This record gives sequence, C-alpha cells and structure tokens, in this order.
Amino acid sequence: QVQLVESGGGVVQPGRSLRLSCAASGFTFSSYGMHWVRQAPGKGLEWVAVIWYDGSNKYYADSVKGRFTISRDNAKNSLYLQMNSLRPEDTALYYCVRDPGGVGYFDFWGQGTRVTVSS
Amino acid sequence: DIQMTQSPSSLSASVGDRVTITCQASQDITNYLNWFQQKPGKAPKLLISDASNLETGVPSRFSGSGSGTDFTFTISSLQPEDIATYYCQQYDNLPPYTFGQGTKLEI
Repeated sequence: QVQLVESGGGVVQPGRSLRLSCAASGFTFSSYGMHWVRQAPGKGLEWVAVIWYDGSNKYYADSVKGRFTISRDNAKNSLYLQMNSLRPEDTALYYCVRDPGGVGYFDFWGQGTRVTVSS
Repeated sequence: DIQMTQSPSSLSASVGDRVTITCQASQDITNYLNWFQQKPGKAPKLLISDASNLETGVPSRFSGSGSGTDFTFTISSLQPEDIATYYCQQYDNLPPYTFGQGTKLEI
C-alpha cells in the first residue's frame, strides 16, 4: 500500500536549519510530483513547495522562497526539504504529499512531521 | 495569486441534515478544484477532484459542483463520522496552490 513517512522534525532556534525527509513506498516514486504542505497549530493548510517527478522543476511559496529548498532522490524513493533561516512563523506540521501530475493534485498525504521554531 | 474564499468557517448540523459549503476563487479556475476532509489529528484526505469527481471509495453522499469561480461541496445526509474540517484547494495553472480557510463541521 502507498506510504509516505516524514521525519526530521523537531525544536530549533530561530535562524537555524533543519532538514526534513519523506520516505515513499508502495508506488513508483519516480513517476510522481511531490509537495510539502504545512499546517500551523490550529490553522489551515499552506502549500510550501513542489518538485516535478524528475526534479526538473521546483516552485516555492513566497513565504519560504530563498530559505527552503526541495529536492528528491528517486533511487532512494525519498523527498527532502532543507529549511534554512527558520522563523517562528515556520512552526507547523509539515506534510509530504503525492501528486500524479505535479500540478497540484494532492492525492495522498503522509502523517506529517512537526517543526517548532522557538528560542 | 489566486485567493480562495470558503464559507462558512464553521457549521453545526444534525445527523441526516443536508450540508453545503461554498468556495469562491478570485479568478476563473475552470474546474481545477479539490475538496479535502481532515479529521482531528489526521492528515487531509482527498474526497473530490476536478470540482465534481468523487474519488474511489468515497461515499456517494459527498458531492461537488461548480466551475469558473463558484463551487459547492455537499453532504446529502450527514453522518457522525463526517465530523471534520473541510478544505477547498485550487490547482489552476502554476503554483502557488491555494487552499480555502476551512470549514469546521460539528454535530
């Protein structure tokens, strides 16, 4: 069955870095676009970044552009999010999300990994 | 960026009621709209894609309609297990892919 398992979250001070990972299984990872979507505590959903199936295109929300980098390793069936210069407003549950076409069609979500940015 | 305005933000209904949630886009998105259900402590689940296409395994009491800028999500007969927060999301053209603010449904 399809599984997306996020890891790498934790508590970090403002200005520091964190790298999230998402391990995919149960489907042909290299055929799917992948996203990160986040949800601040008690708030709604915010799209963060997308990477196409082959890594050829990447897009970011304005709120993270220049600070976050999305990447993937199709040989390892893994998705990553490098988060630099973290801010308190980046505090959220970060979901790894599958997209058959890489066009914003979020057909399967992981359970999320929590990131807290606090001094 | 395309803004999505979802209403109401919260809704209280009874078992068996017909429930309707609306979502309005700030510009024409054709039918590039998804509806998600998020139960407490769980990840969102895709219920409806392309404004009206019911995903496999989703009960037929859920439906969606609309095109252009105005969209509707309906539960024809509310069940206790439908308690959740519901979100619309547009995927017209390039990112950013934006969500509505959510509708918290209570019984």
